[in-house]
Amino acid sequence: DTGVSQNPRHKITKRGQNVTFRCDPISEHNRLYWYRQTLGQGPEFLTYFQNEAQLEKSRLLSDRFSAERPKGSFSTLEIQRTEQGDSAMYLCASSPTLGQQETQYFGPGTRLLVL
Amino acid sequence: AQKITQTQPGMFVQEKEAVTLDCTYDTSDPSYGLFWYKQPSSGEMIFLIYQGSYDQQNATEGRYSLNFQKARKSANLVISASQLGDSAMYFCAMRDPAVQGGKLIFGQGTELSVKP
Repeated sequence: DTGVSQNPRHKITKRGQNVTFRCDPISEHNRLYWYRQTLGQGPEFLTYFQNEAQLEKSRLLSDRFSAERPKGSFSTLEIQRTEQGDSAMYLCASSPTLGQQETQYFGPGTRLLVL
Repeated sequence: AQKITQTQPGMFVQEKEAVTLDCTYDTSDPSYGLFWYKQPSSGEMIFLIYQGSYDQQNATEGRYSLNFQKARKSANLVISASQLGDSAMYFCAMRDPAVQGGKLIFGQGTELSVKP
């Protein structure tokens, strides 16, 4: 399978704990995106990497959130001191750099539940 | 600011019939891209179809076609010959043209149910 993969698929944690999610993009894609989706809503942009450089962060990404893409391949998203409001689906997407039609291909997502 | 509006929270269609899912957008930039994604209950966002603002013809991909009306700022998705497996959430999205790398701005989605 050469699609975008995400791990874990599901995570249940207690409020105040730290969690880390991993995303492996399609191998030749140099752009990687993180989105968050709450129940009944469309995904909302969190952050974006081109290779290893983090080029944009949304205001949704509070100080408790950090994302890395150390070697320009896989990426991690860490949430520190989780809150119940962090419960959501976290989606990762990747795309090549081809101009306007740079379709973003999504992974299966990580569902986070904070108790 | 760029915005995507999907006004149909839920739609029903009979199997084998065609259905149109509405999407309107708002942007002042002349160059933009519009996308439709399908999200089954499993959660994965599946790319369906793309339309560029400068494309002369409406995009088509198999049973999916995009009714692009630039002056009205609408990009409706048409699914022909609906199948039971088409039951899912459908999201319209626009690439933010003002941002390097082009994050996607999504609408609220439309839940499509196909009846046998």
